[in-house]
Amino acid sequence: QKEVEQDPGPLSVPEGAIVSLNCTYSNSAFQYFMWYRQYSRKGPELLMYTYSSGNKEDGRFTAQVDKSSKYISLFIRDSQPSDSATYLCAMTLSGGYNKLIFGAGTRLAVHP
Amino acid sequence: GAVVSQHPSRVICKSGTSVKIECRSLDFQATTMFWYRQFPKQSLMLMATSNEGSKATYEQGVEKDKFLINHASLTLSTLTVTSAHPEDSSFYICSAKRAGQGRFATNEKLFFGSGTQLSVL
Repeated sequence: QKEVEQDPGPLSVPEGAIVSLNCTYSNSAFQYFMWYRQYSRKGPELLMYTYSSGNKEDGRFTAQVDKSSKYISLFIRDSQPSDSATYLCAMTLSGGYNKLIFGAGTRLAVHP
Repeated sequence: GAVVSQHPSRVICKSGTSVKIECRSLDFQATTMFWYRQFPKQSLMLMATSNEGSKATYEQGVEKDKFLINHASLTLSTLTVTSAHPEDSSFYICSAKRAGQGRFATNEKLFFGSGTQLSVL
């Protein structure tokens, strides 16, 4: 069993839709959760960084962590074609750098 | 913003040759850099952690004699794939840890390069 499971998609939505991206994980010791966006042939860039359970909102993006279910989500409101990218979840045991465990990434396409 | 430059972006080589990939932090000092590998439709997998002035720490299953890492300065780390074979074909990406402003250097201070697509014929 992989430590982090993420549906690779692709996920195709119309512009303006609400997008829901999800990851599940097996290690209950993970405490820090991140979402990265990766455009084709580019490195990942950090979108959201959360600690433990709860919600965090930043503009059109909302990250949710449910540690009891070992489930994290990223919601994108009013999706735009420029949001088309691969979204990677990642998690780690502690806040100071520790080994990041990545999901496989979900490819998202937002069409006009 | 912090920029990590990785070069080359794409390389095609013959089996048995060695390939060097460079990772530079352009506007900050990086005492620690990380090298990842990503096969198609799979997760980014950490290969090794590179600390300036010391030997790299390799993850289990990664051959240190095949993947040579040198972190000679605070802004440059290199990964050399020695005697590359077709099974080494992958996307290699580096990241650099920027020291935080406060007491803790968190994963928010981790910046990625653009990656190198290696194809071994």
